[in-house]
Amino acid sequence: RKEVEQDPGPFNVPEGATVAFNCTYSNSASQSFFWYRQDCRKEPKLLMSVYSSGNEDGRFTAQLNRASQYISLLIRDSKLSDSATYLCVVISSGNTPLVFGKGTRLSVIA
Amino acid sequence: GAVVSQHPSWVICKSGTSVKIECRSLDFQATTMFWYRQFPKQSLMLMATSNEGSKATYEQGVEKDKFLINHASLTLSTLTVTSAHPEDSSFYICSARDPTGFEEEFFGPGTRLTVL
Repeated sequence: RKEVEQDPGPFNVPEGATVAFNCTYSNSASQSFFWYRQDCRKEPKLLMSVYSSGNEDGRFTAQLNRASQYISLLIRDSKLSDSATYLCVVISSGNTPLVFGKGTRLSVIA
Repeated sequence: GAVVSQHPSWVICKSGTSVKIECRSLDFQATTMFWYRQFPKQSLMLMATSNEGSKATYEQGVEKDKFLINHASLTLSTLTVTSAHPEDSSFYICSARDPTGFEEEFFGPGTRLTVL
């Protein structure tokens, strides 16, 4: 089983749509969770951290379910500029490397 | 916010030459930096963990003699691709984790290597 699994997509949605991405992780000792965004031919950039209580940043909402080892990202009112690959990322602890999912591609269509 | 720079941003070289890529953390000191490689339409693959003042830790399948990593200071790590071949052509990205932050990892802008 892969450490971090994501649906690769692509998700093709119209502008204004709500879209949800899911991610599961296998290491129950994982401590920190993030969603990164990567545009084509660019480096990943942090979108948001994910906390057990859930967190929201504008149109983006992230949820963590430790019992199910499941992370989600919800994007409301999709914009064309949201088109990118969204990476689910997990850290076990301290200075251990990030563990990336393969990413979910989102295309928002006018 | 914290910034990580990489140099060069792209390089084209002949097969058999060596290429050095620099990764610098500009706003913070990073005892640990990471090197990744990404092939087109694939996910980031961790190559190695670069530790300041000690040897790098390489992932399985990554040749340490081919991908030389030096982390001589708290703000600089270098990756040298020795005797590059066309199959080494890829997007190489470094990252550094700000130890004073909430484990946020900052990525360099990447170096696109093309070996002819």
